[in-house]
Amino acid sequence: EAGVAQSPRYKIIEKRQSVAFWCNPISGHATLYWYQQILGQGPKLLIQFQNNGVVDDSQLPKDRFSAERLKGVDSTLKIQPAKLEDSAVYLCASSLGFGVQETQYFGPGTRLLVL
Amino acid sequence: AQSVAQPEDQVNVAEGNPLTVKCTYSVSGNPYLFWYVQYPNRGLQFLLKYITGDNLVKGSYGFEAEFNKSQTSFHLKKPSALVSDSALYFCAVRVLLTGGGNKLTFGTGTQLKVEL
Repeated sequence: EAGVAQSPRYKIIEKRQSVAFWCNPISGHATLYWYQQILGQGPKLLIQFQNNGVVDDSQLPKDRFSAERLKGVDSTLKIQPAKLEDSAVYLCASSLGFGVQETQYFGPGTRLLVL
Repeated sequence: AQSVAQPEDQVNVAEGNPLTVKCTYSVSGNPYLFWYVQYPNRGLQFLLKYITGDNLVKGSYGFEAEFNKSQTSFHLKKPSALVSDSALYFCAVRVLLTGGGNKLTFGTGTQLKVEL
């Protein structure tokens, strides 16, 4: 079974530029999550989708971050404009449903460096 | 607030010896606890979870974890460590969100180093 796919794996941009990350979840997984992992810390949830609807985006800095999952499968996360403190690994995860017993499976992440 | 704590930044163990990576939790209601491992430049890999039932949970790669309600702990264990187990380990708790969703809240991670 193919895992969660993410691209690109690495991205270097200058502050105030924009950047987009792509995620393809495990086939059949209805729930998709985006996490931000700053160096030396555990991942923190940014946004959660159930199919193509947003379940929770309370931790997403909406003045600069946006995310969509138009057809309930792939998702993109965008940052515009980027700040230095956005340098982090962005992890996408998916699960079959969003019950408390569900396991989240993570992709390899996109490492972003903002200069 | 619901959270987990990993009191050790790093754990060193000799290959072949048993290993323990500690995790304590603070939740209201039933705890749903997870362990993940992260190798360099890779995402998190699921090891095991406790939802309900037996306090000893067995997972991938020979790892197991013991849920202890009285001590609010969920320590990760392995009877015989391998050099290839060297990685960053995260404990996490499932937190329900007011909007109906849920998220994993992670600890700060414990770097495990297994030496020959």
